[in-house]
Amino acid sequence: DAGVIQSPRHEVTEMGQEVTLRCKPISGHNSLFWYRQTMMRGLELLIYFNNNVPIDDSGMPEDRFSAKMPNASFSTLKIQPSEPRDSAVYFCASIPDLGGFGEQYFGPGTRLTVT
Amino acid sequence: AQRVTQPEKLLSVFKGAPVELKCNYSYSGSPELFWYVQYSRQRLQLLLRHISRESIKGFTADLNKGETSFHLKKPFAQEEDSAMYYCALTGSGYALNFGKGTSLLVTP
Repeated sequence: DAGVIQSPRHEVTEMGQEVTLRCKPISGHNSLFWYRQTMMRGLELLIYFNNNVPIDDSGMPEDRFSAKMPNASFSTLKIQPSEPRDSAVYFCASIPDLGGFGEQYFGPGTRLTVT
Repeated sequence: AQRVTQPEKLLSVFKGAPVELKCNYSYSGSPELFWYVQYSRQRLQLLLRHISRESIKGFTADLNKGETSFHLKKPFAQEEDSAMYYCALTGSGYALNFGKGTSLLVTP
């Protein structure tokens, strides 16, 4: 297994543009997490899904952010419109299921720069 | 509310010296605590979890409920230990609440 896959790895966009980040969890994993990493705030949980259903989106910073998981093998995080303060590394992680205290498997991250 | 505090943003030690990365937490219940590591140009990965009481790459961490701490220790640091280290907590077995991380630099 290639692990959690994220695309693109790097994204540079202008303020006001729509940005879509993509994540493919490990096959068979039922739970998926989106995190944002910045120097100031470290790693923050944005939202997580279980069996494709959003469970907790309280970490989503604003209405400009939205996330979907249309099926078990794909999730998107969309920012519309993007702003310079959204510049960060966005990580996706997956685990086999909720309820256990197992390891979270992280993707390589997408480095987003909004100019 | 859950909170994880890593007081040091940067820790620099010489090769062979002991290293301790501090982590304090606040949680009203019984938390599960983890240390994750991110080596340069690599993915964030689990280093160890308190429930396993294991030693990985020479690192250990003991949960001290009285002091609400979960410090990461290694008696003799190696250059390859240089990385970003994150302490994390979960109270429900779901999402991880991370500290802001400590960058460890081991110099020869």
